Amino acid sequence: EIVLTQSPGTLPLSPGERGTLSCRASQSVGSSNVAWYQQKPGQAPRLLIYGASLRAAGIPDRFSGGGSGTDFTLTISRLEPEDFAVFYCLHYASSTWTFGQGTKVEVK
Amino acid sequence: VQLQESGPGLLKPSETLSLTCTVSGGSISSFYWSWVRQPPGKRLEWIGCIDYSGNTNYSPSLKSRATISVDTSKNQFSLTLTSVTAADTAVYYCAGDMNSIAWSYYWGQGSMVTVSS
Repeated sequence: EIVLTQSPGTLPLSPGERGTLSCRASQSVGSSNVAWYQQKPGQAPRLLIYGASLRAAGIPDRFSGGGSGTDFTLTISRLEPEDFAVFYCLHYASSTWTFGQGTKVEVK
Repeated sequence: VQLQESGPGLLKPSETLSLTCTVSGGSISSFYWSWVRQPPGKRLEWIGCIDYSGNTNYSPSLKSRATISVDTSKNQFSLTLTSVTAADTAVYYCAGDMNSIAWSYYWGQGSMVTVSS
């Protein structure tokens, strides 16, 4: 079973700053099956990135994804006030989904 | 495409949870569908999925209690979870994607289910 570990647990940032979130898999995984979600309080998750680096429809280009093997990243180039939320990475393999534990991006 | 969950908000331990997701704006036969839950203050947890052929897959931890099915005549898909306990208290989301079973673009707003005696 693949385990996804996200870091940091909490990331304090100011609007306009750059944020980099990490997702590490317990073993090498196919990047085509890695996705990132954003979730705000009381809302459903929103798909940001799929295939490790492809932006979902309607997602601003300040969000970018990358990585391969065991290490994947989500980068927010310039934080907007509406970007503060919890971010989850997701991996699909062997017909199952696995979520990371989440990184909370909060206002510094 | 819009998804809307419906079901009981409160259950007693040992009862069976039944949730339905109504799909509008798209054909249920063209998508991959999933159920995901989130206990209060905790991470997202995948429950299982069904494809347009009716093939299902479940989380190993819930496989013995979960069943996902599709009703094409009503454009709905459903989740049944038997023998619920307090640990099943969560917001339950239905989700779907037209192109991939590996993620979901469309999500319902979520349905809170509480298990309590």
